[in-house]
Amino acid sequence: EPEVTQTPSHQVTQMGQEVILRCVPISNHLYFYWYRQILGQKVEFLVSFYNNEISEKSEIFDDQFSVERPDGSNFTLKIRSTKLEDSAMYFCASSDGVAGVVDTQYFGPGTRLTVL
Amino acid sequence: SQQGEEDPQALSIQEGENATMNCSYKTSINNLQWYRQNSGRGLVHLILIRSNEREKHSGRLRVTLDTSKKSSSLLITASRAADTASYFCATDLNTGGFKTIFGAGTRLFVKA
Repeated sequence: EPEVTQTPSHQVTQMGQEVILRCVPISNHLYFYWYRQILGQKVEFLVSFYNNEISEKSEIFDDQFSVERPDGSNFTLKIRSTKLEDSAMYFCASSDGVAGVVDTQYFGPGTRLTVL
Repeated sequence: SQQGEEDPQALSIQEGENATMNCSYKTSINNLQWYRQNSGRGLVHLILIRSNEREKHSGRLRVTLDTSKKSSSLLITASRAADTASYFCATDLNTGGFKTIFGAGTRLFVKA
Protein backbone atom coordinates (compact mmCIF):
# COMPACT_ATOMS: atom_id res chain seq x y z
CA GLU A 1 0.00 0.00 0.00
CA PRO A 2 1.41 3.43 -0.91
CA GLU A 3 2.55 5.53 2.00
CA VAL A 4 3.97 8.94 2.80
CA THR A 5 7.61 8.85 3.82
CA GLN A 6 9.63 11.45 5.71
CA THR A 7 13.34 11.97 6.28
CA PRO A 8 15.11 12.24 8.58
CA SER A 9 13.21 10.57 11.41
CA HIS A 10 15.07 12.71 13.93
CA GLN A 11 16.94 15.98 13.38
CA VAL A 12 18.99 17.73 16.03
CA THR A 13 20.15 21.25 15.29
CA GLN A 14 21.55 24.31 16.99
CA MET A 15 19.40 27.39 17.46
CA GLY A 16 19.73 29.73 14.49
CA GLN A 17 20.58 26.99 12.02
CA GLU A 18 18.56 26.19 8.92
CA VAL A 19 16.84 22.83 8.60
CA ILE A 20 15.11 21.15 5.71
CA LEU A 21 12.59 18.43 6.39
CA ARG A 22 11.79 16.15 3.51
CA CYS A 23 8.67 14.29 2.52
CA VAL A 24 7.73 12.02 -0.34
CA PRO A 25 3.94 12.14 -0.72
CA ILE A 26 1.85 9.37 -2.26
CA SER A 27 2.61 9.53 -5.97
CA ASN A 28 -0.79 10.38 -7.47
CA HIS A 29 -1.82 12.83 -4.76
CA LEU A 30 -2.26 16.50 -5.54
CA TYR A 31 -2.59 18.15 -2.12
CA PHE A 32 0.24 18.38 0.35
CA TYR A 33 0.39 19.55 3.96
CA TRP A 34 2.75 20.17 6.83
CA TYR A 35 1.69 19.97 10.46
CA ARG A 36 3.57 20.10 13.71
CA GLN A 37 2.91 18.65 17.12
CA ILE A 38 4.72 19.94 20.16
CA LEU A 39 5.18 17.16 22.71
CA GLY A 40 1.96 16.49 24.57
CA GLN A 41 -0.05 18.98 22.54
CA LYS A 42 -2.41 18.82 19.62
CA VAL A 43 -1.53 18.64 15.95
CA GLU A 44 -1.27 22.13 14.43
CA PHE A 45 -1.78 22.98 10.78
CA LEU A 46 1.14 24.83 9.20
CA VAL A 47 0.53 24.99 5.46
CA SER A 48 -1.20 23.36 2.51
CA PHE A 49 0.13 23.25 -1.03
CA TYR A 50 -1.65 22.64 -4.30
CA ASN A 51 -0.83 23.26 -7.93
CA ASN A 52 2.69 24.39 -7.04
CA GLU A 53 1.63 27.10 -4.68
CA ILE A 54 0.60 27.62 -1.09
CA SER A 55 -3.14 27.25 -0.63
CA GLU A 56 -3.47 28.15 3.06
CA LYS A 57 -1.06 28.85 5.89
CA SER A 58 -1.47 29.36 9.60
CA GLU A 59 -0.18 32.12 11.84
CA ILE A 60 2.66 29.81 12.84
CA PHE A 61 3.93 29.70 9.25
CA ASP A 62 5.80 33.00 9.28
CA ASP A 63 8.68 34.24 7.14
CA GLN A 64 11.02 31.73 8.75
CA PHE A 65 9.16 28.90 7.06
CA SER A 66 8.98 27.97 3.40
CA VAL A 67 7.80 24.99 1.39
CA GLU A 68 8.88 23.69 -1.94
CA ARG A 69 8.13 20.91 -4.34
CA PRO A 70 11.49 20.84 -6.11
CA ASP A 71 10.68 17.89 -8.36
CA GLY A 72 7.81 15.55 -9.05
CA SER A 73 8.18 13.57 -5.88
CA ASN A 74 9.61 15.55 -2.96
CA PHE A 75 7.90 18.11 -0.76
CA THR A 76 10.12 20.02 1.65
CA LEU A 77 9.69 22.29 4.66
CA LYS A 78 12.52 24.70 5.38
CA ILE A 79 12.98 26.58 8.61
CA ARG A 80 15.53 29.32 7.99
CA SER A 81 16.69 30.14 11.51
CA THR A 82 15.46 27.66 14.07
CA LYS A 83 14.29 28.70 17.52
CA LEU A 84 14.00 26.58 20.65
CA GLU A 85 10.22 26.67 20.32
CA ASP A 86 10.43 25.03 16.88
CA SER A 87 11.23 21.75 18.65
CA ALA A 88 8.34 19.47 17.73
CA MET A 89 7.30 16.53 15.63
CA TYR A 90 6.65 17.64 12.05
CA PHE A 91 4.21 15.63 9.98
CA CYS A 92 3.76 15.69 6.24
CA ALA A 93 0.47 14.58 4.71
CA SER A 94 -0.94 14.18 1.23
CA SER A 95 -4.37 13.64 -0.21
CA ASP A 96 -6.26 13.26 -3.41
CA GLY A 97 -9.35 15.29 -4.18
CA VAL A 98 -12.12 15.94 -6.66
CA ALA A 99 -13.56 19.28 -7.72
CA GLY A 100 -11.62 21.14 -5.08
CA VAL A 101 -12.77 18.99 -2.16
CA VAL A 102 -9.94 17.05 -0.60
CA ASP A 103 -10.11 13.39 0.28
CA THR A 104 -8.50 11.46 3.10
CA GLN A 105 -5.17 12.85 4.27
CA TYR A 106 -2.47 10.25 4.73
CA PHE A 107 0.26 11.12 7.18
CA GLY A 108 3.92 10.29 7.20
CA PRO A 109 5.65 8.95 10.33
CA GLY A 110 7.00 12.37 11.23
CA THR A 111 10.36 14.03 11.78
CA ARG A 112 11.25 14.85 15.35
CA LEU A 113 13.08 18.18 15.36
CA THR A 114 15.11 19.06 18.42
CA VAL A 115 16.57 22.56 18.61
CA LEU A 116 19.34 23.03 21.18
CA SER B 1 -14.73 27.14 21.99
CA GLN B 2 -12.00 26.20 19.52
CA GLN B 3 -12.56 24.71 16.09
CA GLY B 4 -12.43 20.97 16.73
CA GLU B 5 -12.92 20.36 20.43
CA GLU B 6 -13.20 16.82 21.69
CA ASP B 7 -14.78 15.55 24.83
CA PRO B 8 -14.08 13.89 27.06
CA GLN B 9 -10.39 14.76 27.31
CA ALA B 10 -9.73 11.31 28.74
CA LEU B 11 -11.75 8.12 28.91
CA SER B 12 -10.99 4.91 30.76
CA ILE B 13 -13.10 1.80 30.10
CA GLN B 14 -12.95 -1.96 30.42
CA GLU B 15 -12.26 -4.21 27.47
CA GLY B 16 -15.52 -5.12 25.74
CA GLU B 17 -17.25 -1.85 26.57
CA ASN B 18 -18.13 0.79 24.02
CA ALA B 19 -16.28 4.10 23.86
CA THR B 20 -17.88 7.30 22.59
CA MET B 21 -15.93 10.43 21.81
CA ASN B 22 -17.45 13.71 20.70
CA CYS B 23 -16.15 16.55 18.59
CA SER B 24 -17.58 20.03 18.15
CA TYR B 25 -16.52 22.68 15.69
CA LYS B 26 -17.37 26.25 14.86
CA THR B 27 -17.16 27.00 11.15
CA SER B 28 -18.45 25.49 7.92
CA ILE B 29 -16.64 22.33 6.85
CA ASN B 30 -16.24 20.14 3.77
CA ASN B 31 -15.23 16.98 5.62
CA LEU B 32 -14.55 15.76 9.11
CA GLN B 33 -11.90 13.10 9.70
CA TRP B 34 -11.06 10.98 12.72
CA TYR B 35 -7.51 9.87 13.44
CA ARG B 36 -5.81 7.65 16.01
CA GLN B 37 -2.37 8.28 17.44
CA ASN B 38 -0.45 5.91 19.63
CA SER B 39 1.89 7.59 22.05
CA GLY B 40 4.60 9.52 20.24
CA ARG B 41 3.85 7.95 16.90
CA GLY B 42 2.18 8.85 13.61
CA LEU B 43 -1.45 9.55 12.82
CA VAL B 44 -3.57 6.72 11.50
CA HIS B 45 -6.63 7.68 9.50
CA LEU B 46 -9.85 6.06 10.70
CA ILE B 47 -12.82 7.55 8.86
CA LEU B 48 -13.66 10.55 6.69
CA ILE B 49 -17.25 11.78 6.68
CA ARG B 50 -18.37 14.44 4.24
CA SER B 51 -20.59 17.36 5.17
CA ASN B 52 -23.55 15.86 3.28
CA GLU B 53 -23.27 12.52 5.10
CA ARG B 54 -24.80 11.74 8.48
CA GLU B 55 -23.29 8.39 9.44
CA LYS B 56 -20.49 6.08 8.38
CA HIS B 57 -19.30 2.71 9.58
CA SER B 58 -15.98 0.93 9.36
CA GLY B 59 -15.63 -2.32 11.24
CA ARG B 60 -16.14 -1.55 14.93
CA LEU B 61 -16.18 2.20 14.27
CA ARG B 62 -19.26 4.32 13.78
CA VAL B 63 -19.07 8.03 13.05
CA THR B 64 -21.98 10.45 13.01
CA LEU B 65 -22.07 14.04 11.83
CA ASP B 66 -24.67 16.65 12.67
CA THR B 67 -23.89 19.80 10.71
CA SER B 68 -26.79 21.70 12.29
CA LYS B 69 -25.17 21.22 15.71
CA LYS B 70 -21.65 21.33 14.30
CA SER B 71 -20.77 18.12 16.06
CA SER B 72 -19.55 14.61 15.37
CA SER B 73 -19.16 11.47 17.42
CA LEU B 74 -16.91 8.44 17.15
CA LEU B 75 -18.16 5.20 18.64
CA ILE B 76 -15.83 2.25 19.12
CA THR B 77 -17.78 -0.89 19.92
CA ALA B 78 -16.45 -3.89 21.85
CA SER B 79 -13.24 -2.09 22.69
CA ARG B 80 -9.92 -3.91 23.00
CA ALA B 81 -6.74 -3.09 24.90
CA ALA B 82 -5.14 -2.37 21.52
CA ASP B 83 -7.59 0.52 21.04
CA THR B 84 -5.73 2.43 23.75
CA ALA B 85 -4.57 5.62 22.00
CA SER B 86 -5.42 9.27 21.48
CA TYR B 87 -8.24 10.02 19.07
CA PHE B 88 -8.48 13.28 17.17
CA CYS B 89 -11.12 14.84 14.99
CA ALA B 90 -9.92 17.04 12.16
CA THR B 91 -12.13 19.42 10.24
CA ASP B 92 -11.42 20.31 6.61
CA LEU B 93 -12.59 23.90 6.50
CA ASN B 94 -14.75 25.28 3.72
CA THR B 95 -12.56 28.31 3.08
CA GLY B 96 -11.94 28.01 -0.62
CA GLY B 97 -8.44 26.81 0.22
CA PHE B 98 -7.30 23.65 1.99
CA LYS B 99 -6.97 23.95 5.73
CA THR B 100 -7.49 21.26 8.33
CA ILE B 101 -7.81 21.93 12.03
CA PHE B 102 -7.25 19.24 14.64
CA GLY B 103 -8.89 19.11 18.02
CA ALA B 104 -7.01 18.51 21.25
CA GLY B 105 -7.99 14.84 21.25
CA THR B 106 -9.46 12.27 23.59
CA ARG B 107 -7.09 9.91 25.35
CA LEU B 108 -8.69 6.50 25.52
CA PHE B 109 -7.43 3.84 27.91
CA VAL B 110 -8.90 0.37 27.59
CA LYS B 111 -8.19 -1.89 30.54
CA ALA B 112 -7.73 -5.59 29.85
